[in-house]
Amino acid sequence: AQKVTQAQTEISVVEKEDVTLDCVYETRDTTYYLFWYKQPPSGELVFLIRRNSFDEQNEISGRYSWNFQKSTSSFNFTITASQVVDSAVYFCALIGRSTGNQFYFGTGTSLTVIP
Amino acid sequence: GAVVSQHPSRVICKSGTSVKIECRSLDFQATTMFWYRQFPKQSLMLMATSNEGSKATYEQGVEKDKFLINHASLTLSTLTVTSAHPEDSSFYICSATLGPSLQETQYFGPGTRLLVL
Repeated sequence: AQKVTQAQTEISVVEKEDVTLDCVYETRDTTYYLFWYKQPPSGELVFLIRRNSFDEQNEISGRYSWNFQKSTSSFNFTITASQVVDSAVYFCALIGRSTGNQFYFGTGTSLTVIP
Repeated sequence: GAVVSQHPSRVICKSGTSVKIECRSLDFQATTMFWYRQFPKQSLMLMATSNEGSKATYEQGVEKDKFLINHASLTLSTLTVTSAHPEDSSFYICSATLGPSLQETQYFGPGTRLLVL
């Protein structure tokens, strides 16, 4: 079975602060992909990153960075110098070989950046 | 990049009517499309998996007679909510992928907000 846990339901930070969104996953598959999506109030899912299970390299894209650690089954997402436009719900998700292309989403973390 | 569209983006209907939502892959042929449902402040839950030319596979607890899915072509899948009731009000999102491989990217549509009065 696949499971994604985002323990943080809501986070509020003041603009320019750094914030880390946690994601812990469970899977018996050795081949799987992890994702982060942003969902602004409009509802449309915005793709942020995809990482396969064989690539544990951390990634940085502008103010965004991701820390993938298989040892702790975590795929955390950090926003540096947060901005008001970062306010949204962020979903961590997983797809695994045994369940095909079906996405398993976490419950989401609602981030509010206060100006 | 690949684009998936949904129509309508928003629909309001009376209880008891049926509503059809379209999901189109605009610049690629999608062998598989997925339909998700999202209640306010909740996560996305998979409703069904649809492969072109075959019957959809529904997740446990999803009524196939209420949520009719048709994937008649490689670029179009439709979800029809039959005899809609207020509890069917939700945000419906489709996604599409070129093939069954995990390596194939999945593209999400912008979603359809359904409000049943």
